[in-house]
Amino acid sequence: GENVEQHPSTLSVQEGDSAVIKCTYSDSASNYFPWYKQELGKRPQLIIDIRSNVGEKKDQRIAVTLNKTAKHFSLHITETQPEDSAVYFCAASDAGGFKTIFGAGTRLFVKA
Amino acid sequence: EAGVTQFPSHSVIEKGQTVTLRCDPISGHDNLYWYRRVMGKEIKFLLHFVKESKQDESGMPNNRFLAERTGGTYSTLKVQPAELEDSGVYFCASSHGAKNIQYFGAGTRLSVL
Repeated sequence: GENVEQHPSTLSVQEGDSAVIKCTYSDSASNYFPWYKQELGKRPQLIIDIRSNVGEKKDQRIAVTLNKTAKHFSLHITETQPEDSAVYFCAASDAGGFKTIFGAGTRLFVKA
Repeated sequence: EAGVTQFPSHSVIEKGQTVTLRCDPISGHDNLYWYRRVMGKEIKFLLHFVKESKQDESGMPNNRFLAERTGGTYSTLKVQPAELEDSGVYFCASSHGAKNIQYFGAGTRLSVL
């Protein structure tokens, strides 16, 4: 069946450093890739998404890259801050964004 | 605008009992999804409603799980009888429109003892 692999499961960085989370997906029909951030005790919230017609998208300190050939996509956070500490989930779905397959999550710690 | 709300936030029950989780989507959102996250693992898709109809229930674990969305507004997810492996956080999400961005509720943490 479809699956999304996410690495690493835990990531610890120093404030100001960059963080990179990588995902791979199995369903070649996937063409929508959202990223969610879940802070402790809160709901998952969409922080950025990318569709298969582009290779990169940036929003302030976060960016996402997509390599459809290799079925890889990554989240990049630059100049990390303590408030970036959370669990981040990658996901892949079809064009309608209906059935969404999530990765297992990456727990990011940003040390002040 | 109110977000997706879920009730209860936490439920502790014994094996063999019945539990019903409720989800109120964002008003006007036709699409409603149920997911489950077992500790440390992925957020796993359970099913998808479009209004009151089940569009995709391929992720439902077994027939102990029953989801309904009568009237196409709020949804319930009933587990009967509950087993230990049903423990986890159950998330609901809703979406609307062409971009179909999913908005999540805060989840219900279910503990089956």
